[in-house]
Amino acid sequence: AQRVTQPEKLLSVFKGAPVELKCNYSYSGSPELFWYVQYSRQRLQLLLRHISRESIKGFTADLNKGETSFHLKKPFAQEEDSAMYYCALRGGGSQGNLIFGKGTKLSVKP
Amino acid sequence: NAGVTQTPKFQVLKTGQSMTLQCAQDMNHNSMYWYRQDPGMGLRLIYYSASEGTTDKGEVPNGYNVSRLNKREFSLRLESAAPSQTSVYFCASRSPGARFTNTEAFFGQGTRLTVV
Repeated sequence: AQRVTQPEKLLSVFKGAPVELKCNYSYSGSPELFWYVQYSRQRLQLLLRHISRESIKGFTADLNKGETSFHLKKPFAQEEDSAMYYCALRGGGSQGNLIFGKGTKLSVKP
Repeated sequence: NAGVTQTPKFQVLKTGQSMTLQCAQDMNHNSMYWYRQDPGMGLRLIYYSASEGTTDKGEVPNGYNVSRLNKREFSLRLESAAPSQTSVYFCASRSPGARFTNTEAFFGQGTRLTVV
């Protein structure tokens, strides 16, 4: 089964604290993973993808195939990071639709 | 850059009424999607269209119909709205390529639908 699990519905941290948003996946092949972010009442937008191995807005995410995880991390959270974060997996088949987790709401307090 | 445009942004319906949500993209993408977003449920795929003239059911298709009018437009219709369809609806488009190529999905700004 293809599945994305984000175990935390809400994560609350203080400004300047490290952040880790957890994502675990189930996929019988080489996974293709993404993080999308949705700021308050805005559209979803791509934050980063694992194949790019990039850092966006200070966030990084490393694919760990052994643990089937793709956790999103930032060493020092900022108030403007407050948003909904969705982990997504590209499904199999010719279409390869995106499968989203249920999302984690990150709240960064001043 | 318009990207993906949805109309309307807000809508209140009475139970049993019908309506169509419109979506258009100007990025020449082949694939288009309709998702619903509910608290604690994340984004769930309602229907998708791999290309003009084709549509397929997603995870939660019941109570909805879709039309891929042309490459640009993909509409979602609620024939007889129910309170359980109160949600935020997102349209998205993508130009799917081979695995591990650029397959970013672009989303519309959403339609907030309330069925009373």
